[in-house]
Amino acid sequence: NAGVTQTPKFQVLKTGQSMTLQCAQDMNHEYMSWYRQDPGMGLRLIHYSVGAGITDQGEVPNGYNVSRSTTEDFPLRLLSAAPSQTSVYFCASSYSTGASQETQYFGPGTRLLVL
Amino acid sequence: RKEVEQDPGPFNVPEGATVAFNCTYSNSASQSFFWYRQDCRKEPKLLMSVYSSGNEDGRFTAQLNRASQYISLLIRDSKLSDSATYLCVVLNAGNMLTFGGGTRLMVKP
Repeated sequence: NAGVTQTPKFQVLKTGQSMTLQCAQDMNHEYMSWYRQDPGMGLRLIHYSVGAGITDQGEVPNGYNVSRSTTEDFPLRLLSAAPSQTSVYFCASSYSTGASQETQYFGPGTRLLVL
Repeated sequence: RKEVEQDPGPFNVPEGATVAFNCTYSNSASQSFFWYRQDCRKEPKLLMSVYSSGNEDGRFTAQLNRASQYISLLIRDSKLSDSATYLCVVLNAGNMLTFGGGTRLMVKP
């Protein structure tokens, strides 16, 4: 199993550009989520999905869209990039949405710089 | 006030030392608790869950104090390979995980 994969690994954008961060998992996990990690802030939840066709907002959803058309894929779209979106983005997946979701598997991350 | 708070460190300890980290959480309805480890420029990985009765995994011991709303992680006989950032994670109602900012540990020879 490849686990959770993310592309690209690095990206530089100009303010106002849009892009999609890709995330895929091959473990047949129902639950997938996107986090951003900023220095001293910990990981903050952007959006999550409990299954194909179902998505919901996390703590910091503004400026981001998601969709979940298949169990495997959970792309994150930046609509109009802003410097405040410079961060490291992690995608994660887990078996379930209940208390057992402690087994979160994270992708390697995408480092995004918005100029 | 942050929902999950940790001392960012760094904690600089010699090999073989015992080191402890604490983490406090503000939501008394929090359901589950975990410690994740994150190496520099890598993704977080689950280190261990934290159970009410306390639990041990080799050199690592986790404790939960619900009355005082804090979680601890004790590392005995520190190894160079233990150098990393340790993230305290709390599962709240709504099944959302909340991460602390992390505590950085540096184990020196």
